[in-house]
Amino acid sequence: GDSVTQMEGPVTLSEEAFLTINCTYTATGYPSLFWYVQYPGEGLQLLLKATKADDKGSNKGFEATYRKETTSFHLEKGSVQVSDSAVYFCALKSTGGTSYGKLTFGQGTILTVHP
Amino acid sequence: DAGITQSPRHKVTETGTPVTLRCHQTENHRYMYWYRQDPGHGLRLIHYSYGVKDTDKGEVSDGYSVSRSKTEDFLLTLESATSSQTSVYFCAISESGSGDPTDTQYFGPGTRLTVL
Repeated sequence: GDSVTQMEGPVTLSEEAFLTINCTYTATGYPSLFWYVQYPGEGLQLLLKATKADDKGSNKGFEATYRKETTSFHLEKGSVQVSDSAVYFCALKSTGGTSYGKLTFGQGTILTVHP
Repeated sequence: DAGITQSPRHKVTETGTPVTLRCHQTENHRYMYWYRQDPGHGLRLIHYSYGVKDTDKGEVSDGYSVSRSKTEDFLLTLESATSSQTSVYFCAISESGSGDPTDTQYFGPGTRLTVL
């Protein structure tokens, strides 16, 4: 079945540091890939997405490129801020068939950014 | 923000009692989902619905049932709550399900359930 693996956290960075959170997946066919962010005490918000190979999703300075050859969708940001402190989830959606758009999530990565 | 509300937002209950969580949407989306969030597991799908009265099981459906009598409401019921069901429960909606690769799921604010 489908699966998503994220790098183990927590990740602690200083403000303005470079961020990478690794995400790899296993899926049949051509899934869509997503990054969601969860701020403390809140629900999940879509951060960015990519729906086909070589697509780059971007939002709020975050980027991720859909790499089919390495089955990866790593999240990057060039300069993090304290306000980026949150939990980040990588997820995939299988398309077609009887999947009904279900999302498969990674375990989440806690990011803490210090001033 | 997508119009999704969940109620209650917090609940403490005792083992063996029935519990119903409600998800309400104002977007008229066809697909609705219930997930639970637990440390180290991310979010896992409990049940989902692809239309009024059309529901199916997800990966962690044991001990849970759902109902959808109206497009806007999706209920999750724990028939006899157990401590292992202590979790944060999220509802999500989407317009096109798997038919559109670009379709996105939007999440509600969550319900924190504690079973003593």
